[in-house]
Amino acid sequence: EVQLVETGGGLIQPGGSLRLSCAASGIIVSSNHMTWVRQAPGKGLEWVSLINSGGYTYYADSVKGRFTISRDNSKNTLYLQMNNLRAEDTAVYYCARLRDYFGSGSYPAGCYFDYWGQGTLVTVSS
Amino acid sequence: SSELTQDPTVSVALGQTVRITCQGDSLRTYYASWYQQKPGQAPVLVIYGEKNRPSGIPDRFSGSSSGDTASLTIAGAQAEDEADYYCNSRDSSATGVVFGGGTKLTVL
Repeated sequence: EVQLVETGGGLIQPGGSLRLSCAASGIIVSSNHMTWVRQAPGKGLEWVSLINSGGYTYYADSVKGRFTISRDNSKNTLYLQMNNLRAEDTAVYYCARLRDYFGSGSYPAGCYFDYWGQGTLVTVSS
Repeated sequence: SSELTQDPTVSVALGQTVRITCQGDSLRTYYASWYQQKPGQAPVLVIYGEKNRPSGIPDRFSGSSSGDTASLTIAGAQAEDEADYYCNSRDSSATGVVFGGGTKLTVL
């Protein structure tokens, strides 16, 4: 059974830093594309960051330069280091596995998130 | 980046069929996937790669696409299908991911 367990959320003042963790079991983090997705209160889902199986990292424009995604292979854990936090970063942060869908071709024809954690709430407020 | 557009709210009578749509330029290149989210819960994948259902998802859920629009159809909607539904695809750069704004489905 796959489990993704996020920790590290909490109340933080604007400009502060926080590190989220996502401990995985049932899958090997380093062999998969792993992502962070967030959801502001009462709002929709927003993709935040991706680290692919090759270790390459990608970010949404809204967090580029402030957030860093990483992984610890020995701990099978995904991280999100969040710096210079803003009120608009307030959200539930989910870690999720991203899969490529190839269909009948050899290039990805889509993608999907098949496993999600339960989320951790980050509140940025003074 | 790119955008995916969904109707904010859709309603359906119990037992009837409803279609939820998702429109965006990236859907001309990439298939959409769909998620169901109930209050206080993490999203659940219901359709991937346009029309594939993960195990455990009822067969009343189906997906399709045409041009720049993807659709999620629920045939014979049940009370437990009342939820928010989100589509996603790769964005136009192929390195990021984009979600639709979500559709709140009400089962009357």
